[in-house]
Amino acid sequence: DGGITQSPKYLFRKEGQNVTLSCEQNLNHDAMYWYRQDPGQGLRLIYYSQIVNDFQKGDIAEGYSVSREKKESFPLTVTSAQKNPTAFYLCASSMEWELNSPLHFGNGTRLTVT
Amino acid sequence: DAKTTQPTSMDCAEGRAANLPCNHSTISGNEYVYWYRQIHSQGPQYIIHGLKNNETNEMASLIITEDRKSSTLILPHATLRDTAVYYCIVRAEYGNKLVFGAGTILRVKS
Repeated sequence: DGGITQSPKYLFRKEGQNVTLSCEQNLNHDAMYWYRQDPGQGLRLIYYSQIVNDFQKGDIAEGYSVSREKKESFPLTVTSAQKNPTAFYLCASSMEWELNSPLHFGNGTRLTVT
Repeated sequence: DAKTTQPTSMDCAEGRAANLPCNHSTISGNEYVYWYRQIHSQGPQYIIHGLKNNETNEMASLIITEDRKSSTLILPHATLRDTAVYYCIVRAEYGNKLVFGAGTILRVKS
């Protein structure tokens, strides 16, 4: 059954620590995305990757980093430089970047930093 | 910046059609309208998208006005499981960079 897997579902960290969120897809999609969602708000784009070994900053990339070494995987690192890291993080993928292909989302990781 | 305007919330009786409006008055000729929904604490789910013709699939229908400045998502027979936040999105000018606004909270009531 194809889909996007985000793990873990809940993550707790102390302030000042870096943390990496996992995102794996078996849909053979070229493009992958990371969004952040805060309570009562829409999603904001952090980073996206059109293809393996390529990625671009989204609207709120400061304090985050990504890598795209494999087509299936697009991990997101929340660094200590991110001022308000507590949020719900959503990973998505789509067949291609340029075409009108719908995004498929994972079920998210809820990160709490104290 | 979101390019769409949606009501904050709507109620619908179970079994009735739910009609969710969206204004996108600044839409340009090659921009598609997408609809997604998000059930609490889950990832958004794709529903439907269209350019200028009306579209229908197993989940919903999308009606786009002739001037393309607004659209309506129709869930023909709403169930309690359709209670969710519904996002109307206009695809950005390039690539697949979607901008999500706050959406409409649809409450289906028995």
